Amino acid sequence: DAKTTQPTSMDCAEGRAANLPCNHSTISGNEYVYWYRQIHSQGPQYIIHGLKNNETNEMASLIITEDRKSSTLILPHATLRDTAVYYCIVLSGGYQKVTFGTGTKLQVIP
Amino acid sequence: GAGVSQSPRYKVAKRGQDVALRCDPISGHVSLFWYQQALGQGPEFLTYFQNEAQLDKSGLPSDRFFAERPEGSVSTLKIQRTQQEDSAVYLCASSTTGEAFFGQGTRLTVV
Repeated sequence: DAKTTQPTSMDCAEGRAANLPCNHSTISGNEYVYWYRQIHSQGPQYIIHGLKNNETNEMASLIITEDRKSSTLILPHATLRDTAVYYCIVLSGGYQKVTFGTGTKLQVIP
Repeated sequence: GAGVSQSPRYKVAKRGQDVALRCDPISGHVSLFWYQQALGQGPEFLTYFQNEAQLDKSGLPSDRFFAERPEGSVSTLKIQRTQQEDSAVYLCASSTTGEAFFGQGTRLTVV
């Protein structure tokens, strides 16, 4: 699976949009971009995934660049409960041997 | 249950003791994964099952680690002769296709 690069940490004001970037320059054509988050003392939680097109669900939006070498996870109105470590992962569609890096620690500030 | 359940939630073991960690995946999920998460690090892959077949155990750190899923549902991760470096959170996840669903993990402390 392709590797990803994320900033170590970010802050975001409560109520504002949180934009979390991820670089995956070695992504191949059949690999999806997945985002998970891990709130303190809990297991990772799936957020969203995409292949080429931008995706939106009730939690977040995923913007993937046209060349697919990078993506941005957007939390439109961050709340204190969104404080967590966010992991960007690249996977092929079959067997999901998920490889987590160290992720981005997002701190939402009141 | 509605989600992946792991037990015990916390385990303290004396060095050299054997431990067994249990994972109840979501009913009907074919794939099951075990991960090890050290403090301040992301989860690291240990092993993968498809039904009862262990298809990938490349992440198991030593032959002291053993996992099984005999009937294709509940899985057990066993660690023999525990060492201090085994102290970590052990996470289980299950999936069908698409996203993986994780349990809350078992925090193992070896003293």
